[in-house]
Amino acid sequence: QVQLVESGGGVVQPGRSLRLSCAASEFTFSNYAMHWVRQAPGKGLEWVAVISYDGSTIYYADAVKGRYTISRDNSKNTLYLQMNSLRPEDTAVYYCARRNYSGCLDYWGQGTLVTVSS
Amino acid sequence: DIQMTQSPSTLSASVGDRVTITCRASQSISSWLAWYQQKAGKAPKLLIYKASSLESGVPSRFSGSGSGTEFTLTISSLQPDDFATYYCQQYNSYPWTFGQGTKVEIK
Repeated sequence: QVQLVESGGGVVQPGRSLRLSCAASEFTFSNYAMHWVRQAPGKGLEWVAVISYDGSTIYYADAVKGRYTISRDNSKNTLYLQMNSLRPEDTAVYYCARRNYSGCLDYWGQGTLVTVSS
Repeated sequence: DIQMTQSPSTLSASVGDRVTITCRASQSISSWLAWYQQKAGKAPKLLIYKASSLESGVPSRFSGSGSGTEFTLTISSLQPDDFATYYCQQYNSYPWTFGQGTKVEIK
């Protein structure tokens, strides 16, 4: 069955960088747009970014625009999120998710926790 | 940005109850609305898409309705496995936005 496995989370100081990865399997990764969604501890879901199936179209939430970069490597079936200039308010579990042909998020990874703290 | 407002924030109910959660959009999103269920420590699970279409494998006690700016998620007969937090989400336009969530608790 479809699998999405995030990695790369951890504890990082404010102002530093981190790169998250999301390894996809059991589906044709290159056919699907992919998203990142985050959830701060005890809070609701917040959409972060999307990349089209071929990487040609990208959108970001205002809260991360200019600091985060979403990318993908279809040859490696992997989605990335480069996070720069991290802030304490970026602390969250980060999920990658697949956008299905109906337009919404049908499969999600288990999430990876990013903690921004000095 | 389109703001999504859910009500109530918390709902106490008993097994067998009919439960309704409301989601309002700050502008029309046609039927581009999804509902997700999330249990503690787990990823969200898609329940309903395009406002009223049931995702494959989701029990038929879940249903969605609405269009434009007003939407509802109904659980016809609450089961023990349904105690969770529910989120609506618009995918009419970027940035996508979620409601703040509705926690369904045991009464």
